[in-house]
Amino acid sequence: AQSVSQHNHHVILSEAASLELGCNYSYGGTVNLFWYVQYPGQHLQLLLKYFSGDPLVKGIKGFEAEFIKSKFSFNLRKPSVQWSDTAEYFCAAKHNNAGNMLTFGGGTRLMVKP
Amino acid sequence: DVKVTQSSRYLVKRTGEKVFLECVQDMDHENMFWYRQDPGLGLRLIYFSYDVKMKEKGDIPEGYSVSREKKERFSLILESASTNQTSMYLCASSLGGWTNSGNTIYFGEGSWLTVV
Repeated sequence: AQSVSQHNHHVILSEAASLELGCNYSYGGTVNLFWYVQYPGQHLQLLLKYFSGDPLVKGIKGFEAEFIKSKFSFNLRKPSVQWSDTAEYFCAAKHNNAGNMLTFGGGTRLMVKP
Repeated sequence: DVKVTQSSRYLVKRTGEKVFLECVQDMDHENMFWYRQDPGLGLRLIYFSYDVKMKEKGDIPEGYSVSREKKERFSLILESASTNQTSMYLCASSLGGWTNSGNTIYFGEGSWLTVV
Protein backbone atom coordinates (compact mmCIF):
# COMPACT_ATOMS: atom_id res chain seq x y z
CA ALA A 1 0.00 0.00 0.00
CA GLN A 2 1.10 3.53 -0.66
CA SER A 3 2.31 5.45 2.35
CA VAL A 4 3.72 8.83 3.25
CA SER A 5 5.94 9.22 6.30
CA GLN A 6 6.69 12.39 8.20
CA HIS A 7 9.65 11.96 10.48
CA ASN A 8 8.74 14.28 13.33
CA HIS A 9 5.41 14.53 15.08
CA HIS A 10 6.36 17.65 17.03
CA VAL A 11 8.97 20.31 16.36
CA ILE A 12 9.69 23.28 18.60
CA LEU A 13 11.84 26.12 17.30
CA SER A 14 12.71 29.66 18.27
CA GLU A 15 11.96 32.50 15.91
CA ALA A 16 14.57 32.97 13.17
CA ALA A 17 15.67 29.34 13.39
CA SER A 18 15.81 27.34 10.18
CA LEU A 19 13.20 24.67 9.54
CA GLU A 20 13.33 21.35 7.75
CA LEU A 21 10.45 18.88 7.95
CA GLY A 22 11.07 15.46 6.51
CA CYS A 23 8.71 13.61 4.20
CA ASN A 24 9.19 10.29 2.43
CA TYR A 25 6.79 8.47 0.15
CA SER A 26 6.77 4.79 -0.56
CA TYR A 27 6.46 4.34 -4.31
CA GLY A 28 8.15 5.26 -7.54
CA GLY A 29 6.81 6.21 -10.91
CA THR A 30 4.97 9.41 -11.64
CA VAL A 31 4.04 11.10 -8.41
CA ASN A 32 2.66 14.48 -7.44
CA LEU A 33 3.70 15.82 -4.05
CA PHE A 34 2.14 18.43 -1.82
CA TRP A 35 2.64 20.20 1.45
CA TYR A 36 -0.45 21.49 3.23
CA VAL A 37 -0.58 23.66 6.33
CA GLN A 38 -3.32 23.92 8.94
CA TYR A 39 -3.13 26.96 11.21
CA PRO A 40 -4.92 26.68 14.55
CA GLY A 41 -8.67 26.75 14.01
CA GLN A 42 -8.40 27.01 10.24
CA HIS A 43 -8.83 24.69 7.29
CA LEU A 44 -6.05 22.99 5.37
CA GLN A 45 -4.30 25.23 2.87
CA LEU A 46 -1.91 24.33 0.10
CA LEU A 47 1.64 25.54 0.74
CA LEU A 48 3.28 24.20 -2.38
CA LYS A 49 3.17 21.36 -4.85
CA TYR A 50 5.46 19.48 -7.19
CA PHE A 51 4.35 17.93 -10.46
CA SER A 52 7.31 18.04 -12.80
CA GLY A 53 10.29 20.17 -13.81
CA ASP A 54 12.52 21.94 -11.33
CA PRO A 55 12.74 19.72 -8.23
CA LEU A 56 13.10 22.76 -5.99
CA VAL A 57 9.64 24.18 -5.50
CA LYS A 58 8.89 27.58 -4.02
CA GLY A 59 5.67 28.04 -2.12
CA ILE A 60 3.87 30.73 -0.20
CA LYS A 61 5.21 32.47 2.90
CA GLY A 62 8.86 31.72 2.13
CA PHE A 63 8.53 27.94 2.20
CA GLU A 64 10.24 25.67 -0.28
CA ALA A 65 10.55 21.94 -0.80
CA GLU A 66 12.98 19.77 -2.70
CA PHE A 67 11.94 16.63 -4.55
CA ILE A 68 14.74 14.04 -4.47
CA LYS A 69 13.55 11.11 -6.51
CA SER A 70 16.43 8.81 -5.55
CA LYS A 71 15.55 9.24 -1.87
CA PHE A 72 11.76 9.25 -2.34
CA SER A 73 11.78 12.46 -0.35
CA PHE A 74 10.08 15.84 -0.45
CA ASN A 75 11.35 17.80 2.55
CA LEU A 76 9.90 21.18 3.46
CA ARG A 77 12.26 24.02 4.36
CA LYS A 78 12.18 27.60 5.52
CA PRO A 79 15.38 29.53 6.30
CA SER A 80 13.94 31.62 9.13
CA VAL A 81 10.67 30.76 10.87
CA GLN A 82 8.28 33.21 12.48
CA TRP A 83 5.88 32.81 15.38
CA SER A 84 3.04 32.90 12.83
CA ASP A 85 4.35 29.67 11.27
CA THR A 86 3.04 27.76 14.28
CA ALA A 87 0.75 25.19 12.66
CA GLU A 88 0.42 21.57 11.66
CA TYR A 89 2.07 20.59 8.38
CA PHE A 90 1.01 17.68 6.22
CA CYS A 91 2.91 16.08 3.38
CA ALA A 92 0.81 14.31 0.76
CA ALA A 93 1.38 12.30 -2.40
CA LYS A 94 -0.71 11.34 -5.36
CA HIS A 95 0.45 8.53 -7.62
CA ASN A 96 -0.90 7.99 -11.09
CA ASN A 97 -1.74 4.37 -10.25
CA ALA A 98 -3.99 5.58 -7.44
CA GLY A 99 -6.31 7.68 -9.53
CA ASN A 100 -6.91 10.96 -7.82
CA MET A 101 -6.57 9.74 -4.26
CA LEU A 102 -4.20 11.66 -2.04
CA THR A 103 -2.26 9.86 0.68
CA PHE A 104 -1.28 11.99 3.67
CA GLY A 105 1.49 11.70 6.17
CA GLY A 106 0.73 11.79 9.88
CA GLY A 107 1.43 15.50 10.19
CA THR A 108 4.05 17.51 12.04
CA ARG A 109 3.05 20.04 14.66
CA LEU A 110 5.39 23.00 14.61
CA MET A 111 5.54 25.40 17.51
CA VAL A 112 7.61 28.54 17.09
CA LYS A 113 8.53 30.29 20.31
CA PRO A 114 8.62 34.07 20.16
CA ASP B 1 -11.62 31.09 -5.18
CA VAL B 2 -12.78 27.54 -4.72
CA LYS B 3 -15.17 27.19 -1.88
CA VAL B 4 -15.84 23.89 -0.14
CA THR B 5 -18.54 24.28 2.46
CA GLN B 6 -19.34 21.81 5.20
CA SER B 7 -22.75 22.43 6.67
CA SER B 8 -21.96 21.64 10.30
CA ARG B 9 -18.84 22.73 12.14
CA TYR B 10 -19.62 21.05 15.45
CA LEU B 11 -21.93 18.14 16.18
CA VAL B 12 -22.57 16.00 19.23
CA LYS B 13 -24.43 12.74 18.62
CA ARG B 14 -25.34 9.73 20.69
CA THR B 15 -24.07 6.22 20.06
CA GLY B 16 -26.30 4.46 17.56
CA GLU B 17 -27.64 7.62 15.95
CA LYS B 18 -27.55 8.09 12.19
CA VAL B 19 -25.37 11.04 11.27
CA PHE B 20 -25.27 13.01 8.03
CA LEU B 21 -22.36 15.27 7.15
CA GLU B 22 -22.99 17.45 4.12
CA CYS B 23 -20.47 19.05 1.80
CA VAL B 24 -20.97 21.41 -1.15
CA GLN B 25 -18.40 22.75 -3.60
CA ASP B 26 -18.95 25.60 -6.02
CA MET B 27 -16.32 24.98 -8.70
CA ASP B 28 -17.89 22.20 -10.73
CA HIS B 29 -15.23 19.75 -9.58
CA GLU B 30 -15.60 16.14 -10.63
CA ASN B 31 -13.82 14.68 -7.61
CA MET B 32 -14.96 14.90 -4.03
CA PHE B 33 -13.45 13.29 -0.96
CA TRP B 34 -14.18 12.62 2.68
CA TYR B 35 -11.26 12.34 5.10
CA ARG B 36 -11.06 12.03 8.84
CA GLN B 37 -8.27 13.70 10.76
CA ASP B 38 -6.97 12.24 14.01
CA PRO B 39 -3.90 13.32 16.02
CA GLY B 40 -0.77 11.50 14.91
CA LEU B 41 -2.59 9.69 12.10
CA GLY B 42 -2.86 12.60 9.68
CA LEU B 43 -5.71 12.51 7.20
CA ARG B 44 -7.16 9.19 6.20
CA LEU B 45 -9.39 8.80 3.20
CA ILE B 46 -12.83 7.36 3.91
CA TYR B 47 -14.50 7.57 0.50
CA PHE B 48 -13.91 9.25 -2.80
CA SER B 49 -16.30 10.10 -5.63
CA TYR B 50 -15.21 10.87 -9.19
CA ASP B 51 -18.66 11.53 -10.65
CA VAL B 52 -22.31 11.69 -9.74
CA LYS B 53 -23.45 8.38 -8.22
CA MET B 54 -19.90 7.01 -8.46
CA LYS B 55 -17.84 6.19 -5.37
CA GLU B 56 -14.71 4.40 -4.35
CA LYS B 57 -13.69 3.14 -0.93
CA GLY B 58 -10.74 4.79 0.63
CA ASP B 59 -8.49 3.47 3.37
CA ILE B 60 -11.07 3.33 6.18
CA PRO B 61 -14.60 2.95 4.75
CA GLU B 62 -15.95 0.66 7.49
CA GLY B 63 -18.87 2.18 9.35
CA TYR B 64 -19.43 4.86 6.72
CA SER B 65 -21.35 5.29 3.49
CA VAL B 66 -21.60 8.17 1.03
CA SER B 67 -24.04 9.68 -1.38
CA ARG B 68 -23.42 11.81 -4.46
CA GLU B 69 -26.71 12.58 -6.18
CA LYS B 70 -25.59 15.95 -7.54
CA LYS B 71 -22.17 16.98 -8.76
CA GLU B 72 -21.74 19.74 -6.21
CA ARG B 73 -22.83 17.78 -3.14
CA PHE B 74 -21.17 14.85 -1.37
CA SER B 75 -22.65 13.45 1.83
CA LEU B 76 -21.00 11.25 4.43
CA ILE B 77 -23.32 8.99 6.41
CA LEU B 78 -22.63 7.22 9.66
CA GLU B 79 -25.38 4.62 9.80
CA SER B 80 -24.94 3.95 13.50
CA ALA B 81 -22.47 6.28 15.16
CA SER B 82 -19.93 4.85 17.57
CA THR B 83 -17.55 6.56 19.98
CA ASN B 84 -14.53 5.60 17.87
CA GLN B 85 -15.96 7.77 15.11
CA THR B 86 -15.39 10.87 17.21
CA SER B 87 -13.10 12.88 14.96
CA MET B 88 -12.65 15.85 12.66
CA TYR B 89 -14.14 15.16 9.24
CA LEU B 90 -12.81 16.99 6.20
CA CYS B 91 -14.46 17.27 2.82
CA ALA B 92 -12.38 18.12 -0.25
CA SER B 93 -12.78 18.52 -3.98
CA SER B 94 -10.64 18.68 -7.11
CA LEU B 95 -10.90 18.65 -10.86
CA GLY B 96 -11.01 15.21 -12.44
CA GLY B 97 -8.46 13.46 -14.59
CA TRP B 98 -4.69 13.49 -14.41
CA THR B 99 -2.75 16.36 -15.96
CA ASN B 100 0.87 17.39 -15.96
CA SER B 101 0.00 20.46 -13.96
CA GLY B 102 -1.87 18.35 -11.46
CA ASN B 103 -5.16 18.89 -9.75
CA THR B 104 -4.95 20.63 -6.42
CA ILE B 105 -7.30 19.36 -3.75
CA TYR B 106 -9.24 22.02 -1.87
CA PHE B 107 -10.50 21.42 1.63
CA GLY B 108 -13.47 22.57 3.65
CA GLU B 109 -13.11 23.86 7.18
CA GLY B 110 -13.97 20.56 8.77
CA SER B 111 -16.73 19.16 10.95
CA TRP B 112 -15.96 18.22 14.52
CA LEU B 113 -18.08 15.21 15.47
CA THR B 114 -18.30 13.95 19.02
CA VAL B 115 -20.14 10.70 19.64
CA VAL B 116 -21.14 10.16 23.26
